[in-house]
Amino acid sequence: GAVVSQHPSRVICKSGTSVKIECRSLDFQATTMFWYRQFPKQSLMLMATSNEGSKATYEQGVEKDKFLINHASLTLSTLTVTSAHPEDSSFYICSASRPGNYEQYFGPGTRLTVT
Amino acid sequence: AQSVSQHNHHVILSEAASLELGCNYSYGGTVNLFWYVQYPGQHLQLLLKYFSGDPLVKGIKGFEAEFIKSKFSFNLRKPSVQWSDTAEYFCAVNLKAAGNKLTFGGGTRVLVKP
Repeated sequence: GAVVSQHPSRVICKSGTSVKIECRSLDFQATTMFWYRQFPKQSLMLMATSNEGSKATYEQGVEKDKFLINHASLTLSTLTVTSAHPEDSSFYICSASRPGNYEQYFGPGTRLTVT
Repeated sequence: AQSVSQHNHHVILSEAASLELGCNYSYGGTVNLFWYVQYPGQHLQLLLKYFSGDPLVKGIKGFEAEFIKSKFSFNLRKPSVQWSDTAEYFCAVNLKAAGNKLTFGGGTRVLVKP
């Protein structure tokens, strides 16, 4: 149990376009989902925390207008990178946690390349 | 600022050697502690976790970690590594007062030579 999927696994887009990444909890309801960014050979940096039905909480330095997060249901959160630029190229990872549980279950990640 | 530090960025060792990876955090409150592993090309997997109770925690694949509150440490150990333990290891800390948010250490790349 506790499987989290992400789609797509890889995406290449042109500069100036927007890209949507989906994160789904497949076998449990996730009241909270998290979005991380991982640069090559570096650690995960938390971008935002999203709770179902409410606005996401962004970490300091993360542009909320650029990285739009929607947590529309207990099993789905989406991250939209708007007006993407090459510096947005990165590995984006989501995770989800069950109600009342501190453990996070991680998705496989999405590699975004902006050309 | 609150932070999580992993002292070793890269570790190279031979099969059957013992492994110990350091992790220190700077939070002053009650914490939950985790070690995650990321095998090449794969997603993060939980190795073990500490919430409360016995400070010596046993995880999967023969790994264990010890929480030493006085040292703000949660070091990961494995008595005898295998080639398949080649991976990147991340320590993560959750400050209970901050909800479920995790702060990750910088990671340690472990290469086990056959």
